[in-house]
Amino acid sequence: SQTIHQWPATLVQPVGSPLSLECTVEGTSNPNLYWYRQAAGRGLQLLFYSVGIGQISSEVPQNLSASRPQDRQFILSSKKLLLSDSGFYLCAWEASGGAKNIQYFGAGTRLSVL
Amino acid sequence: QKEVEQDPGPLSVPEGAIVSLNCTYSNSAFQYFMWYRQYSRKGPELLMYTYSSGNKEDGRFTAQVDKSSKYISLFIRDSQPSDSATYLCAMSASDYKLSFGAGTTVTVRA
Repeated sequence: SQTIHQWPATLVQPVGSPLSLECTVEGTSNPNLYWYRQAAGRGLQLLFYSVGIGQISSEVPQNLSASRPQDRQFILSSKKLLLSDSGFYLCAWEASGGAKNIQYFGAGTRLSVL
Repeated sequence: QKEVEQDPGPLSVPEGAIVSLNCTYSNSAFQYFMWYRQYSRKGPELLMYTYSSGNKEDGRFTAQVDKSSKYISLFIRDSQPSDSATYLCAMSASDYKLSFGAGTTVTVRA
């Protein structure tokens, strides 16, 4: 069966520090991968998605970037965090060529920028 | 106007009651409809998936899609305290992108 791992679960970082959040998927090959940010009471905002190694599409211009160095690894980064980067970050995967648009989420990372 | 509207609640019901949740949307191209359940400080988990219009039942959960009215619903029968969570509707057209509602927080009182 497929599983998705996200770490860390919680992170507290000072303003101006770098960020690296990692997401890995097991049990599937060539998944589509997604990074979302969830703000309280505002649903999920798509940040990045990837259909393959090295292929990244950005949905919202911002202080963040994403990379996909391996088939089942997706990384969210920032060189210098802003206060506004605080939030709940979720990684999701979707089977490419499978049932349409079903995305499965990780447990999330709660980021606090102070 | 948001693409997907969902009443944020909160909704509080006694154990055993029927919970009714709904979302409206504006994009007539949407044809894939999902409900996710999200417990506090956890990631969303897929609850129901429906393609196009119609009803789908899974145990105590029933999902309904009315494309003519651009309206989807989720019903939870015989609600349990373990159903206390935030419920997110999500939908998409034929591309990769899911559009989410803001989520409805439900509390089932024992």
